Amino acid sequence: AQSVAQPEDQVNVAEGNPLTVKCTYSVSGNPYLFWYVQYPNRGLQFLLKYITGDNLVKGSYGFEAEFNKSQTSFHLKKPSALVSDSALYFCAVLGGSYIPTFGRGTSLIVHP
Amino acid sequence: DGGITQSPKYLFRKEGQNVTLSCEQNLNHDAMYWYRQDPGQGLRLIYYSQIVNDFQKGDIAEGYSVSREKKESFPLTVTSAQKNPTAFYLCASSPPDRGVDANEKLFFGSGTQLSVL
Repeated sequence: AQSVAQPEDQVNVAEGNPLTVKCTYSVSGNPYLFWYVQYPNRGLQFLLKYITGDNLVKGSYGFEAEFNKSQTSFHLKKPSALVSDSALYFCAVLGGSYIPTFGRGTSLIVHP
Repeated sequence: DGGITQSPKYLFRKEGQNVTLSCEQNLNHDAMYWYRQDPGQGLRLIYYSQIVNDFQKGDIAEGYSVSREKKESFPLTVTSAQKNPTAFYLCASSPPDRGVDANEKLFFGSGTQLSVL
């Protein structure tokens, strides 16, 4: 069975500082990995994905994520956080099945 | 929200009542999914369908039912057997192709908040 762990329920960061939201996964075979963002009372919006190729993936709104196969991690990063980045972030994995599995989500709070 | 429409945005259910949440997509996607979102629990899969007239139970299917009579539509019924239905429900769809160049990702609707009266 595939699974995703987001070890932090909440991440706090000051505006202008770099941010990291952690994600580790477990899956059979090669993983397809995704990050989504959710604003209050809205659906999820796609940020970025890793399918194959470069381990550093760049996505929307200045976000990027680094795929690390040996550590089975796919951490989301941004060099300089904005207050408007405050939202709920979900990591997801797609393995041998066609069914994506989501983490529990991490609430990112960026302080002015 | 990516060509997927969920309605209504808010829904209230009385005790013993069945209610149906609508999900329609115009993306020509074969696969559709229903997720339930509770605070601190992330998204949990209720049902999914990879083709018309076929669907499979997810992790928390008890108390729910679905149909997939048309490619565009995947309604979810919350039955009276679901004793704790209050949650945010998200519908999603995805294209079937898993090739490297395919744009594999889920497209989500804007969600339905279901509450119990």
